[in-house]
Amino acid sequence: EAQVTQNPRYLITVTGKKLTVTCSQNMNHEYMSWYRQDPGLGLRQIYYSMNVEVTDKGDVPEGYKVSRKEKRNFPLILESPSPNQTSLYFCASSPGTGGTYEQYFGPGTRLTVT
Amino acid sequence: AQSVTQLDSQVPVFEEAPVELRCNYSSSVSVYLFWYVQYPNQGLQLLLKYLSGSTLVKGINGFEAEFNKSQTSFHLRKPSVHISDTAEYFCAVSDMNYGGSQGNLIFGKGTKLSVKP
Repeated sequence: EAQVTQNPRYLITVTGKKLTVTCSQNMNHEYMSWYRQDPGLGLRQIYYSMNVEVTDKGDVPEGYKVSRKEKRNFPLILESPSPNQTSLYFCASSPGTGGTYEQYFGPGTRLTVT
Repeated sequence: AQSVTQLDSQVPVFEEAPVELRCNYSSSVSVYLFWYVQYPNQGLQLLLKYLSGSTLVKGINGFEAEFNKSQTSFHLRKPSVHISDTAEYFCAVSDMNYGGSQGNLIFGKGTKLSVKP
């Protein structure tokens, strides 16, 4: 089944403890992206990647890192999480880098930082 | 820079009534337009998209949307809603400028549709 998977689905952690949220897609998509969803703010893009080893900042990149060493994986790294990073995170992928392509979303990771 | 405004944060309707969810956008370049739906505790999935051609676009689950360039709007409609349509709906734009940000979506803040029996 074609899909985007994220792990973990739920995570509670403490301030300052490094964490990684994994994202993997099995559709051979070039484009991948991370969003955070907060009530009343919709989805905001954190980072995106147009291909392997090519990443760029989205609208809210502060406090996050990403890497794209393989086409299928795009992990999101929080080196020193803070409570304001408590949010619902979505990974998405797309077949191409043109704006016409549909993005396919993972099921989400709910992160709580205390 | 682009922006998307969804005019209603919440829309309550009764089952079998028609519904319209409003979306306006602003952009200095031509855009592609999308509606995504998020059911409770799930990720987003595409309802429909406008790329070019006919301004009336039909999507899944009986939804349709009309692109109005002069009013910079892309409102979503359904003539008769079901309980199962209860979800959050997001309007999004992507610009046609094939520059560094190609493929990036700008989302509105979402409209929660609540269908009551």
